[in-house]
Amino acid sequence: QSVLIQPPSASGTPGQRITISCSGSSSNIENKYVNWYQQFPETAPKVLIYRTDQRPSGVPDRFSASKSGTSASLAISGLRSEDEADYYCAAWDDSLPGWVFGGGTKVTVL
Amino acid sequence: QVQLQQSGPGLVKPSQTLSLACAISGDNVSNNTAAWNWIRQSPSRGLEWLGRTYYRSKWYSEYPVSMRGRVVINPDTSKNQFSLQMNSVTPEDTAVYYCTKGGTTASPGFDYWGQGTLVTVSS
Repeated sequence: QSVLIQPPSASGTPGQRITISCSGSSSNIENKYVNWYQQFPETAPKVLIYRTDQRPSGVPDRFSASKSGTSASLAISGLRSEDEADYYCAAWDDSLPGWVFGGGTKVTVL
Repeated sequence: QVQLQQSGPGLVKPSQTLSLACAISGDNVSNNTAAWNWIRQSPSRGLEWLGRTYYRSKWYSEYPVSMRGRVVINPDTSKNQFSLQMNSVTPEDTAVYYCTKGGTTASPGFDYWGQGTLVTVSS
């Protein structure tokens, strides 16, 4: 059972905008940065968003993220077939203390 | 460009100790702005942070409460690598294990990952 809660799946048609939620608590998301990772089958996760809303160089601006209270969200606009992957949120949790992850959301492009 | 190369056995017997190493190129394990982590992933437990080691005038190793007493992460400055040891393994510890760099306030998340090692716990 993951500390951060994500929907198991999300889907959309090419060109659509989808959002993925990540629900946490006051010991993690509310007072900490949130990072998002993208993972393709048989490969290691790759950082997509760091410090809640920052994109590393090379990540398209179709990917954006935000946070409000104890929840965070990742948005993918102009959905493309190559966005089919698993997406994970992560944050530091003061109660452990340590990094905690969401259970992952599988994005399908219909 | 930082590269992390993992090594270690893919099969461990129950009750024994799991040992993995992560060799660093393009950076130094003693980098006083970096942290070096182990993370595992399994279908049943998802992504799980196992702990980290880092140097800030002296060496630190930190673990989540769930792993204290079972996991040890150590730096090896002579080989520019860091290692993971997990004792008393059970089949529930079967997972893909990753070494990573990052996870500090100064870093963009876990920005470098090893190739992953599938470790199966079975007799």
